[in-house]
Amino acid sequence: QVHLQESGPGLVKPSQTLSLTCTVSGGSISIGGYYWSWIRQHPGKGLEWIGYIYYSGSTYYNPSLKSRVTISIDMSENQFSLKLSSVTAADTAVYYCARDSGYDQFDYWGQGTPVTVSS
Amino acid sequence: QSALTQPASVSGSPGQSITISCTETSSDVGNYNLVSWYQQHPGKAPKLIIYEGSKRPSGVSNRFSGSKSGNTASLTISGLQAEDEADYHCCSHAGNVRVFGGGTSLTVL
Repeated sequence: QVHLQESGPGLVKPSQTLSLTCTVSGGSISIGGYYWSWIRQHPGKGLEWIGYIYYSGSTYYNPSLKSRVTISIDMSENQFSLKLSSVTAADTAVYYCARDSGYDQFDYWGQGTPVTVSS
Repeated sequence: QSALTQPASVSGSPGQSITISCTETSSDVGNYNLVSWYQQHPGKAPKLIIYEGSKRPSGVSNRFSGSKSGNTASLTISGLQAEDEADYHCCSHAGNVRVFGGGTSLTVL
């Protein structure tokens, strides 16, 4: 059973960079065929896909966030990470990491971690 | 603005059936064929309940079914139960793009 767990600061100051890590257990992140994604949910709103990374290092980002997003992978730690720069209050959300089948589904999700942007 | 439109809320009584629609509203989505559905209870992570438009993962009740007609995908829940009260999200995988609908809140009366 694959398990994902997000970690990182719950409070980030405006204009700073939000940094989160997703630790994967129960399966290797370096196996091909899966895309490792970040998704967020603003308070009381729907889900917003942020982007994904493949084990090869290839990435694809939501065009609306592309200029501020970097997703990286650390296969030695079986982790992948999100950096979102120049944050504002509009980036306050619950951030989820998830496994993307690469075809049509997010089959495993982390529990989510809330991040507040405030001074 | 989301390229997938869902009703904000639906409701039904126990035992009834309800259907939640998910309509493509933007050609930017591209090949709108691969729809998945997620159930999300308050304070919890989303859970996959339908993939490839109509398939159920192991362990998901057969009361949940998915279909598609034209540019609209649908999730039907039959024999409504109190535990079905949750938010439901549709998602489209189209090449490199993933797009979610705005989510639908289901109330079991």
